[in-house]
Amino acid sequence: EVQLVESGGGLVKPGGSLRLSCVASGFTFSNAWMNWVRQAPGKGLEWVGRVKRKTDGETTEYAAPVKGRFTISRDDSKNTLYLQMNSLKTEDTAVYYCAYYVSGRPYWGQGTLVTVSS
Amino acid sequence: EIVLTQSPGTLSLSPGERATLSCRASQSVSSSCLAWYQQRPGQAPRLLIYNASSRATGIPDRFSGSGSGTDFTLTISRLEPEDFAVYHCQQCGSSPYTFGQGTKLEIK
Repeated sequence: EVQLVESGGGLVKPGGSLRLSCVASGFTFSNAWMNWVRQAPGKGLEWVGRVKRKTDGETTEYAAPVKGRFTISRDDSKNTLYLQMNSLKTEDTAVYYCAYYVSGRPYWGQGTLVTVSS
Repeated sequence: EIVLTQSPGTLSLSPGERATLSCRASQSVSSSCLAWYQQRPGQAPRLLIYNASSRATGIPDRFSGSGSGTDFTLTISRLEPEDFAVYHCQQCGSSPYTFGQGTKLEIK
């Protein structure tokens, strides 16, 4: 059974940093392209970015609002996906989900809440 | 970037009625990689349909998905009280994996 468990959310001041983690199980993590998705309070869903597997160059892609501030990385030895968030803005307040797509079928974690506020 | 437009924005129906929700893409969605999610207030999105027409595990058969290319539809054959929620579509055929803005299904 595929499981994705996010952690690391919390309250941070504008301009601050936070690192989210997502521990994966139930599939071969090292073969997977992994994603982050977020949802701000009362808003729609937004894809944040993704990292490809090592054999595909571990290439990363980001949505425009976070490019240059967020970094996605992975540690295949720990089956863990990371989202390093720097220069946080109030508009980054959201629940962050890690997501895995296999043959078009999405799997999401339960999410972790990040609140950016002074 | 593929833009997904969901319509209508709000749909008002009564329990027992049929609901038809639309998700239109600005470009063809590769491999019909299109998913539908249901979101009730205060809850995380729940996967209903993937690959345009495959029901996720445990989803009642009153939910069905159809379509290809740029036009996709989620149909709920007979609405139950618990079906009144917000519905999102997402394409995973090309990066960035964009979402529609959502359709709110409310009780009439």
